[in-house]
Amino acid sequence: GENVEQHPSTLSVQEGDSAVIKCTYSDSASNYFPWYKQELGKRPQLIIDIRSNVGEKKDQRIAVTLNKTAKHFSLHITETQPEDSAVYFCAASKTGNQFYFGTGTSLTVIP
Amino acid sequence: DGGITQSPKYLFRKEGQNVTLSCEQNLNHDAMYWYRQDPGQGLRLIYYSQIVNDFQKGDIAEGYSVSREKKESFPLTVTSAQKNPTAFYLCASSPRTATYEQYFGPGTRLTVT
Repeated sequence: GENVEQHPSTLSVQEGDSAVIKCTYSDSASNYFPWYKQELGKRPQLIIDIRSNVGEKKDQRIAVTLNKTAKHFSLHITETQPEDSAVYFCAASKTGNQFYFGTGTSLTVIP
Repeated sequence: DGGITQSPKYLFRKEGQNVTLSCEQNLNHDAMYWYRQDPGQGLRLIYYSQIVNDFQKGDIAEGYSVSREKKESFPLTVTSAQKNPTAFYLCASSPRTATYEQYFGPGTRLTVT
């Protein structure tokens, strides 16, 4: 099956700086890569996703890049704010049936 | 936050007892999923269902059972065969049409002693 690795496990940045979280996947057939944000005690929520026919996608301060050849994708958050503090999960899926999640990155934005 | 609900929020059981976690959605989504979340391990898929009366095992199905008798409901039973049942359980649903986006419920924290 698919194996998704996520790094780093924890990340601290100063407010206003950028944060980058990286994931790798093993199954070249995976074609959908979502990112979820989970605030403490709350449910995960989709923040951005990308399909394998696209190399980059942006939504305001958030962007995701995908390198199919290297089988890795990254989440970029610019101009970080304290409310960005949360746990972020990447995932990979090839059919929309089974989703394989990374182990999560705990992001802390220091005011 | 409406649309997919889980109950109860906290659940306590004695070892050896079966327990059923509820998951209901009114989003008219075809697909529903159950995940287990443990510290440092991300989300792991237990079972998923694409349509009524059909479901598939995920990576960690042993010790769990599900049913999908209605489109809106996908209850998960944690049986006494599950060796480490204490965890946070998340249910999700997805339309699986134009998007694969999953919508998560608020979760149930199960503690077995």
